[in-house]
Amino acid sequence: EDQVTQSPEALRLQEGESSSLNCSYTVSGLRGLFWYRQDPGKGPEFLFTLYSAGEEKEKERLKATLTKKESFLHITAPKPEDSATYLCAVQVYAGGTSYGKLTFGQGTILTVHP
Amino acid sequence: ETGVTQSPTHLIKTRGQQVTLRCSSQSGHNTVSWYQQALGQGPQFIFQYYREEENGRGNFPPRFSGLQFPNYSSELNVNALELDDSALYLCASSTPTNGKLFFGSGTQLSVL
Repeated sequence: EDQVTQSPEALRLQEGESSSLNCSYTVSGLRGLFWYRQDPGKGPEFLFTLYSAGEEKEKERLKATLTKKESFLHITAPKPEDSATYLCAVQVYAGGTSYGKLTFGQGTILTVHP
Repeated sequence: ETGVTQSPTHLIKTRGQQVTLRCSSQSGHNTVSWYQQALGQGPQFIFQYYREEENGRGNFPPRFSGLQFPNYSSELNVNALELDDSALYLCASSTPTNGKLFFGSGTQLSVL
């Protein structure tokens, strides 16, 4: 069974204090690892997809990396508007057109204080 | 480019009732997935529809059913509601070969 575990469950940072969120996964045949941001009362917003170990992607203050067992979301000099829940999800090879299934972790709640 | 829209935004039902939630996919996307998100948890996959047929299902009982229409809009139906069905229900659309999912804002269902 595919499993995704995120840590920490909650993270409080001061504005400008860089840190990392972790996503550990156990899957049979990783097709892609996804990072989403979710604000309260809203649906998840797509951030990144990583497909192979060693891959890195960046967007503003966020940088995602991938190894064979885990992914990290690095946040550099965060601002209060970066406060949200960050979700990690994996997608496995299913053949054909069965790519709608993502297995999510429980999320990391990030709070950035001014 | 239009996004994924869901209706209603909030809904209150009593145990044993039936509910229908609706979703309009993003323009150009012919695959729709539904997810249930309990408070403090990540979303859980319910099922996926492609070309109006169910094409993958998670660990949910048969009282959770769906429909996809020719215009790619979709419905999620839940029969015999239970208290544990209280959650945020998310619809996501995608293309069949690109795994990137675009989510709607969800329907918050409360079962009393």
